[in-house]
Amino acid sequence: NAGVTQTPKFRVLKTGQSMTLLCAQDMNHEYMYWYRQDPGMGLRLIHYSVGEGTTAKGEVPDGYNVSRLKKQNFLLGLESAAPSQTSVYFCASKSGQGPQPQHFGDGTRLSIL
Amino acid sequence: GQQVMQIPQYQHVQEGEDFTTYCNSSTTLSNIQWYKQRPGGHPVFLIQLVKSGEVKKQKRLTFQFGEAKKNSSLHITATQTTDVGTYFCAGPSFGNEKLTFGTGTRLTIIP
Repeated sequence: NAGVTQTPKFRVLKTGQSMTLLCAQDMNHEYMYWYRQDPGMGLRLIHYSVGEGTTAKGEVPDGYNVSRLKKQNFLLGLESAAPSQTSVYFCASKSGQGPQPQHFGDGTRLSIL
Repeated sequence: GQQVMQIPQYQHVQEGEDFTTYCNSSTTLSNIQWYKQRPGGHPVFLIQLVKSGEVKKQKRLTFQFGEAKKNSSLHITATQTTDVGTYFCAGPSFGNEKLTFGTGTRLTIIP
């Protein structure tokens, strides 16, 4: 099992460019999450999904959009990248309701120049 | 909104010394989870505590959930170089739909 796979692993963008980060999980999990991690600030939730076709805002949603068209995939989009969005992005999933552990991907290191 | 704070932010210890990180929530938690992130890696689930006053052990790691379910601690006995990383606690919000992560404690080991 691959678990949670994030694509790409690294990316450099110019301010104003757009891009999409892909998260795929093969564990048939219902819940999926996008976090950003910045030095000294831990993991902050951007958006999440509790099932196919659903999305919800997290703690820091501004400047990002998401889609969950298929259960196994959760896409994070940056429409117009800004230097403040330079970060490490992690995708995670969990099986369903209840206090289940979250399984994380390896992360995407994104730099906005 | 819910806040989860961890102290200390950084801890440097000699190999073989003990290490403790503390987690405090602004609200009562139904459960608390702990994760470890190695340098350059991703967070990995370690354990979950549910009951008031619960204590769980994993080899040299001891996890404790406070009686009021608003705080937790992780204690590592006789640290080893493999313990290097950042330790995060996380509490649930919106039922168990999502987690609020603490700011983390970064542990470095001096050989």
